[in-house]
Amino acid sequence: QVTLKESGPALVKPTQTLTLTCTFSGISLTSSEVRVAWIRQPPGKALEWLARLDWNDDRVYSTSLKTRLTISKDTSKNQVGLTMTNMDPIDTATYYCARISRKDAFDIWGQGTMVTVSS
Amino acid sequence: DIQMTQSPSSLSASVGDRVTITCRASQSIYTYLNWYQQKPGKAPELLIYVASSLQSGVPSRFSGSGSGTDFTLTISSLQPEDFATYFCQQSHSTPRTFGQGTRVEVK
Repeated sequence: QVTLKESGPALVKPTQTLTLTCTFSGISLTSSEVRVAWIRQPPGKALEWLARLDWNDDRVYSTSLKTRLTISKDTSKNQVGLTMTNMDPIDTATYYCARISRKDAFDIWGQGTMVTVSS
Repeated sequence: DIQMTQSPSSLSASVGDRVTITCRASQSIYTYLNWYQQKPGKAPELLIYVASSLQSGVPSRFSGSGSGTDFTLTISSLQPEDFATYFCQQSHSTPRTFGQGTRVEVK
């Protein structure tokens, strides 16, 4: 059974850099065709796709946020990370990581981690 | 970016009702359309992929249809556990984009 779990700070200050980690269980990140995405959801609002990392290290970012985002992986820890610079209160949201299936859908999600940006 | 527009934004229905939710893309996405269900405080769950394929474990009362720019999610007989918010998402182009959601409430 494949599971994902996000971790990171619950509170960050404006202008700080957010660092999140997504830990995979039940599958190795070195497995062929493993693809992972980060998605966020402000309270009461819609889902917003942020970034994707493919098994071949291809990285794709949100058009509007690409200057602030970096997606990475640590295969030794079976983790995918996301950093977002220059955090603002508008970035307050629940951040999810999700596996991308062979049919290009988000078929397995982590539980999400709520991040509040406030001074 | 491809814009995804769902309608209605919310609806009220009763157990046993047939419910239909519509999703429209700003350009053709062929059948690269997925549907998710989200309950309060929980992560979304995949219901339908490539417009009409039922994800493993999802009840058969859920179905999807459409191609090009217009898509539909149908719940044939609403069950108590189906009261939730539903999102469509296109997988045709990057960046991937979601609809704004449709909340299905108890009538």
